[in-house]
Amino acid sequence: ETGVTQTPRHLVMGMTNKKSLKCEQHLGHNAMYWYKQSAKKPLELMFVYSLEERVENNSVPSRFSPECPNSSHLFLHLHTLQPEDSALYLCASSRDKPDLSYNEQFFGPGTRLTVL
Amino acid sequence: QKEVEQNSGPLSVPEGAIASLNCTYSDRVSQSFFWYRQYSGKSPELIMSIYSNGDKEDGRFTAQLNKASQYVSLLIRDSQPSDSATYLCAVNGMSGNQFYFGTGTSLTVIP
Repeated sequence: ETGVTQTPRHLVMGMTNKKSLKCEQHLGHNAMYWYKQSAKKPLELMFVYSLEERVENNSVPSRFSPECPNSSHLFLHLHTLQPEDSALYLCASSRDKPDLSYNEQFFGPGTRLTVL
Repeated sequence: QKEVEQNSGPLSVPEGAIASLNCTYSDRVSQSFFWYRQYSGKSPELIMSIYSNGDKEDGRFTAQLNKASQYVSLLIRDSQPSDSATYLCAVNGMSGNQFYFGTGTSLTVIP
């Protein structure tokens, strides 16, 4: 256990569904991340939330919508997804910059998403 | 231009041998460097972090960093079959909370 939990662990949804992924960290961190991991591709950073900023990868489609109500919780809202969105979605947390010497990033177990 | 590059492998080594994994990065001002291990179907697990030039040892693992050459490596001594996994190199730079990952190197340790 890394101190980062994600639910659900598996999700199958149709293209017209709306669902949400949840992430919670118990490490006292104040930066949280969503990544997408597809086969044979590098981890793709989707969103970052920290005390000072929200960073979005401009290539992420608007059908993915993040929400970060506090430093311990992060959501990814999904709507009208496409089959190519099927992937492993990983949440991670770390200390916020500028403490770059100790900003190790820890991952949750991931949500395996299948879009039919 | 890729931010972080790794040999995709697969890399096969016999049990008990040293496995050497390499990574290069393009952002010269990168400050933090990490190695993750990822078993099939699982999420990445942090195994080493290194922040300054030189070697850092932790058990059977040694990370080596050369900022001048923009190169970071991971050595696994006395490789075990349980080390068989994909190893991801990650780099964090001065741009903030943005980590860049390589595509990973698949390692198989043959009993």
